Amino acid sequence: GDSVTQKEGLVTLTEGLPVMLNCTYQTIYSNAFLFWYVHYLNESPRLLLKSSTDNKRTEHQGFHATLHKSSSSFHLQKSSAQLSDSALYYCALLNTGYQNFYFGKGTSLTVIP
Amino acid sequence: EAAVTQSPRSKVAVTGGKVTLSCHQTNNHDYMYWYRQDTGHGLRLIHYSYVADSTEKGDIPDGYKASRPSQENFSLILELASLSQTAVYFCASSSGTGGYNYAEQFFGPGTRLTVL
Repeated sequence: GDSVTQKEGLVTLTEGLPVMLNCTYQTIYSNAFLFWYVHYLNESPRLLLKSSTDNKRTEHQGFHATLHKSSSSFHLQKSSAQLSDSALYYCALLNTGYQNFYFGKGTSLTVIP
Repeated sequence: EAAVTQSPRSKVAVTGGKVTLSCHQTNNHDYMYWYRQDTGHGLRLIHYSYVADSTEKGDIPDGYKASRPSQENFSLILELASLSQTAVYFCASSSGTGGYNYAEQFFGPGTRLTVL
């Protein structure tokens, strides 16, 4: 069945360094719809960015990701980490019925001064 | 803006007791979901519903029931609460139609459940 793997459970970075959070997925369908959700402490998870187009970069709030169907990956990147980026990040795959999401286990990002 | 509310925001329950978590959305969305969040497991789908008076099992339905009495309301019921059900529970809603561009899920603030 469909699944999402986020290798890193915890990532600690110094402010100003680049961010890269890994996400790979598995699906039996040719179409893949990938999402990144961000969950700040004491808030609700919310959509950060999404993509369904192969090899096209999508950007939002300084973060970017490119869906690579050849490697089944959708890594989240940012050129320079900020303290305010500290949060839990979920990668998610949408099934082809457009109804159910498969969430990864999440990566907790902590940015330190 | 989309709005999903949950009640209670936190609850302490005793083992073997009955717990009901409620979710209300004003988004006019057809789809509603219940997830639990645990450290190391992320968000896992318990039950979901795409129409009133009907619910579907998600990935981890054992020990949980769900009820969707109206489009706006979706409840999660723990008939016999157990220690292992201590977690944070999130409700979400989505349009569910129109394909990928309308698939965004809007989450509630969460309910922290502690079973003692």
